[in-house]
Amino acid sequence: KQEVTQIPAALSVPEGENLVLNCSFTDSAIYNLQWFRQDPGKGLTSLLLIQSSQREQTSGRLNASLDKSSGRSTLYIAASQPGDSATYLCAVMPGEYGNKLVFGAGTILRVKS
Amino acid sequence: GAVVSQHPSRVICKSGTSVKIECRSLDFQATTMFWYRQFPKKSLMLMATSNEGSKATYEQGVEKDKFLINHASLTLSTLTVTSAHPEDSSFYICSAGQGPGQPQHFGDGTRLSIL
Repeated sequence: KQEVTQIPAALSVPEGENLVLNCSFTDSAIYNLQWFRQDPGKGLTSLLLIQSSQREQTSGRLNASLDKSSGRSTLYIAASQPGDSATYLCAVMPGEYGNKLVFGAGTILRVKS
Repeated sequence: GAVVSQHPSRVICKSGTSVKIECRSLDFQATTMFWYRQFPKKSLMLMATSNEGSKATYEQGVEKDKFLINHASLTLSTLTVTSAHPEDSSFYICSAGQGPGQPQHFGDGTRLSIL
């Protein structure tokens, strides 16, 4: 059974810092891995999607890497801003299920001004 | 593109009431829709997967008779919480996808509060 773990559970940083969020998964047979952002009481906004054949994806100040063989992904946020404060969720699409997503518990990020 | 609309955003009702939540894909055809439940400060738990025109597939531990799912068209799925009780209070989120391996697009969620 695929399990996804995110570390740390919560993170508080001053504005301007670069930071890394970690995600690990137990079964390397995945279609893709996705990072989402969730604001309080809201749905999910997709940030980056990495296909199983890819190593990384970049969008603006965000960079996500994938090491499928070791079951790890990182989300790097450069020059953090208060507006980045949110919960960040990592999810994998297991290869055997085709289109389900298995989510981690998330990292709550607070960027202080 | 890839907008999913979920309605209503918030529901407060009395115990015993049945509540229907709608999930619509506005600009694409969703062959598969997913319903998740999220407890406070917890991650999303998949409740069921629905494919257009067929019965939903429920995850282990999810009561089929409590959570009725209908996916009548390629753009609409509904979740009905039947005879809701306070323990059904939660945040429910739907997503829609266009096929295996394709990204899922999420609605904004529905906050359900049962008094």
